Amino acid sequence: DAGVIQSPRHEVTEMGQEVTLRCKPISGHDYLFWYRQTMMRGLELLIYFNNNVPIDDSGMPEDRFSAKMPNASFSTLKIQPSEPRDSAVYFCASSTTSGGRYEQYFGPGTRLTVT
Amino acid sequence: SQKIEQNSEALNIQEGKTATLTCNYTNYSPAYLQWYRQDPGRGPVFLLLIRENEKEKRKERLKVTFDTTLKQSLFHITASQPADSATYLCALVSGGYNKLIFGAGTRLAVHP
Repeated sequence: DAGVIQSPRHEVTEMGQEVTLRCKPISGHDYLFWYRQTMMRGLELLIYFNNNVPIDDSGMPEDRFSAKMPNASFSTLKIQPSEPRDSAVYFCASSTTSGGRYEQYFGPGTRLTVT
Repeated sequence: SQKIEQNSEALNIQEGKTATLTCNYTNYSPAYLQWYRQDPGRGPVFLLLIRENEKEKRKERLKVTFDTTLKQSLFHITASQPADSATYLCALVSGGYNKLIFGAGTRLAVHP
């Protein structure tokens, strides 16, 4: 399996622009997670889905952030409008609880820079 | 509030020695705890999971302990190698079996 795939790997944009990050989870995994990582705040869970349904979005910082999962193989995280404080590395991860396993598999991340 | 603490300072050890990393938590009663490794520019990679009813778990040169009374987990790497140099994150399940809260991580540097 190719693992979790994220695109783009790097994104540089100007303040006020819309940013869309994309994720393809591992086939067969029924959970998908979006995280944000910064030096100051570490790795923070933003939102997670189970079977394409959002379960917990309490970590989404504000209404400028939205996430969707239209099918089992694709998810997006959108920021509109973007601000410099959104600069971070955004990770997507997937997992399955089949067999009582709970480990998460992370993608390579998208490094977002908002100027 | 819930809190996870890992040594914020880097841990420097000599090759061949045992590295011990600490994860302390408060206001949690996690059903399990996980350890991940993260290399620069990459996503975290799962290493080990230990459940609340397990005291110790081993995998090759790795050993994890979980003391729910002390609210602490210790992560050991025996016979450490320079290739073990990375940041190690502990993660606790919170509010369900799949929601993880991560510690800030401890950077380990193994010197030849």
